[in-house]
Amino acid sequence: GENVEQHPSTLSVQEGDSAVIKCTYSDSASNYFPWYKQELGKRPQLIIDIRSNVGEKKDQRIAVTLNKTAKHFSLHITETQPEDSAVYFCAAGGSQGNLIFGKGTKLSVKP
Amino acid sequence: NAGVTQTPKFQVLKTGQSMTLQCAQDMNHEYMSWYRQDPGMGLRLIHYSVGAGITDQGEVPNGYNVSRSTTEDFPLRLLSAAPSQTSVYFCASSIRGHYYEQYFGPGTRLTVT
Repeated sequence: GENVEQHPSTLSVQEGDSAVIKCTYSDSASNYFPWYKQELGKRPQLIIDIRSNVGEKKDQRIAVTLNKTAKHFSLHITETQPEDSAVYFCAAGGSQGNLIFGKGTKLSVKP
Repeated sequence: NAGVTQTPKFQVLKTGQSMTLQCAQDMNHEYMSWYRQDPGMGLRLIHYSVGAGITDQGEVPNGYNVSRSTTEDFPLRLLSAAPSQTSVYFCASSIRGHYYEQYFGPGTRLTVT
């Protein structure tokens, strides 16, 4: 089955800097890659997703890139703000009919 | 719309007890799923359903049962609670399948002593 590895597990940046979180997946049939943000004590919420026919997608300060050949995808957050502090999860969805999540990255943005 | 609702919010069980975690959605979503979240382990899929009457196992199904008799409800049953089932449980739904945005419920924090 699918296996998703996510790095780093923790990331600390200064406000205004960029943050990058990377994920790799094992199932070449996976074709849907969402990113979820979870603030402390709250439920996960979708922030951006990408499908396999697209290499990059942007939404304001957030972007996701996908390299299907290498089987990895990344989340890029520019001009980070304190409210970006949260745990971010990547996931991969494909032939098995379900989503497999990475273990999460705790992002801390210091003012 | 209330979205995805879960009850109870908190629960303490003794080893060997059984209970049902409730999940309901009012968005007419076909796809529903249950995840457990443990520190450092991310979200792991327990069971999912692609529509009423259809369920399937996820990554960690042992010790749990589900049924989907209606589109709205997807209860998760713990047959005989064990300390290893101490976790936060999230129910989620999406309009059609795992290729679409998953809307998560607020979660149930379960402790098994």
